[in-house]
Amino acid sequence: NAGVTQTPKFQVLKTGQSMTLQCAQDMNHEYMSWYRQDPGMGLRLIHYSVGAGITDQGEVPNGYNVSRSTTEDFPLRLLSAAPSQTSVYFCASSYSLAGGNEQFFGPGTRLTVL
Amino acid sequence: AQSVTQPDIHITVSEGASLELRCNYSYGATPYLFWYVQSPGQGLQLLLKYFSGDTLVQGIKGFEAEFKRSQSSFNLRKPSVHWSDAAEYFCAVELPGNTGKLIFGQGTTLQVKP
Repeated sequence: NAGVTQTPKFQVLKTGQSMTLQCAQDMNHEYMSWYRQDPGMGLRLIHYSVGAGITDQGEVPNGYNVSRSTTEDFPLRLLSAAPSQTSVYFCASSYSLAGGNEQFFGPGTRLTVL
Repeated sequence: AQSVTQPDIHITVSEGASLELRCNYSYGATPYLFWYVQSPGQGLQLLLKYFSGDTLVQGIKGFEAEFKRSQSSFNLRKPSVHWSDAAEYFCAVELPGNTGKLIFGQGTTLQVKP
């Protein structure tokens, strides 16, 4: 098992550009989510999905879109990048919708917006 | 306001010394509680979790944590720190009924002196 994979590892964008961060998991997990990590703020939930075709907003959703057409993939789209979106982005997945389950994290994508 | 607080941003301990990292939460009900570790440039790995029952939980890498309801705390401990424990540690909570939505503390960076 590769676990949770994310691409790219690093990305530099100019303000106003769009891009998609890719996330895939091969563990057949129902639940997937995106977090951003900023210094001194821990990780904050952007969007999450409880299954294919179902997504919802987290704590900081503005400026980001998601969709989930398959169980394996959960891409995060930045519509018009802003410097405030400079961050490290983590994708995570969990095998069950029941509470209290371990979330498995990908290695992260470091994004810089100039 | 609901929150998770890790009061110590940076902690430095000598190799072989004991370690305690603090975590306090502010929620009406007892949440699910987690400690994650993040090595530099890596994703997050679960150290341990608490749902109910015995308030002292054992995790991987020799870590343990104690849940104290009266203090709304879930402090992480290790009797003897190894140089490889240098990393950033995150306390996180998941509210019952908010499946998969982890709320993270700000993180504590642990430095280990030889």
